[in-house]
Amino acid sequence: GAVVSQHPSWVICKSGTSVKIECRSLDFQATTMFWYRQFPKQSLMLMATSNEGSKATYEQGVEKDKFLINHASLTLSTLTVTSAHPEDSSFYICSATPSEGQFFGPGTRLTVL
Amino acid sequence: GEDVEQSLFLSVREGDSSVINCTYTDSSSTYLYWYKQEPGAGLQLLTYIFSNMDMKQDQRLTVLLNKKDKHLSLRIADTQTGDSAIYFCAESINFGNEKLTFGTGTRLTIIP
Repeated sequence: GAVVSQHPSWVICKSGTSVKIECRSLDFQATTMFWYRQFPKQSLMLMATSNEGSKATYEQGVEKDKFLINHASLTLSTLTVTSAHPEDSSFYICSATPSEGQFFGPGTRLTVL
Repeated sequence: GEDVEQSLFLSVREGDSSVINCTYTDSSSTYLYWYKQEPGAGLQLLTYIFSNMDMKQDQRLTVLLNKKDKHLSLRIADTQTGDSAIYFCAESINFGNEKLTFGTGTRLTIIP
């Protein structure tokens, strides 16, 4: 149990385009989902906390207008990177929590050309 | 703010024990975790320990916590090639419904 999926697993896009990443909890309802970013050879840094039906809470330094988060249902949260630039290239990982414990998705590698 | 630190690299011979260390600064940390990340993959929760415990064992894994020194370690007995990965320690105040603060990660390399 407690499986979290992400789609796509990787994406390459041109600079200036927008990219949407989906995070789904497959066998549980996730009241809270988290979005992390991991640069090469670095640790995971929390970007935002997403609660179903309410606005996401962004960490300091993360632009909410650039990284749009929607948590419309208890099993789906989406992260949209708007007007992506090469510096946004990273590994984006979501996690979801039923009530206790955090379960991570497999990650989405974004490469912006 | 919270700070969690680990050494970046560890090399161990196959069959030996691996010990990965972690230090943290937030005295209010209540739960401490060990996650495993294989190349290009997400994170797999290996084990966690509540701060009122000083040891937890789960098959080949042993977690030791020294709360006074804010030091956490993960021992992997009989290390195998499949244990090659990056290991992250993390901490939180509550279990689950709260952000995790991750360490820098330790890359474990197994020497045949």
